[in-house]
Amino acid sequence: GAVVSQHPSRVICKSGTSVKIECRSLDFQATTMFWYRQFPKQSLMLMATSNEGSKATYEQGVEKDKFLINHASLTLSTLTVTSAHPEDSSFYICSARRGAAYYGYTFGSGTRLTVV
Amino acid sequence: AQTVTQSQPEMSVQEAETVTLSCTYDTSESDYYLFWYKQPPSRQMILVIRQEAYKQQNATENRFSVNFQKAAKSFSLKISDSQLGDAAMYFCAYRSSRGTDKLIFGTGTRLQVFP
Repeated sequence: GAVVSQHPSRVICKSGTSVKIECRSLDFQATTMFWYRQFPKQSLMLMATSNEGSKATYEQGVEKDKFLINHASLTLSTLTVTSAHPEDSSFYICSARRGAAYYGYTFGSGTRLTVV
Repeated sequence: AQTVTQSQPEMSVQEAETVTLSCTYDTSESDYYLFWYKQPPSRQMILVIRQEAYKQQNATENRFSVNFQKAAKSFSLKISDSQLGDAAMYFCAYRSSRGTDKLIFGTGTRLQVFP
């Protein structure tokens, strides 16, 4: 089945530094990937849609300069949290769609980011 | 804009019993896709079941089935013979058949399963 690998699973960084999270589709090509943020006991909030070879589309209220998304190949999308602050601490999840929309989306296992 | 509502923040069920999770949505479209996702404590999102709006027949996947009422814009999930491993957050999601490719999630229902 379709597998999406997300790394790292956990990361702790100091305030002011940048952190990169990778999302890879292992056995399929994903022209579109999605990045979500999830606060404790809450739903997934879509941050941006990542399109291979073009600029990401950000949801309203998401800072483009804070959350840099790059989709350089058909199997890799990255989310970089720049100049991280404690309020950026959260759970970040990527997903990709394989094939027809009916088949839904495959999700990565998520990244727990803690900014200290 | 489309919205998805899950009115039950928490539900509980006894092992081997049946439980139904509610989901309603709002859309002006006639063709779309609906999904139920499970998020166990590991936080890994797992697709439970899916439904295409143009299909009248309710989807089933083993112990999981849906009651899709298009006119009422309702998409409930029934879990039969509940197991301890079913304990998780369950999210209902909507996807348009055209335009944007993104999923719209409900707020989730936490399901507890008691032995």
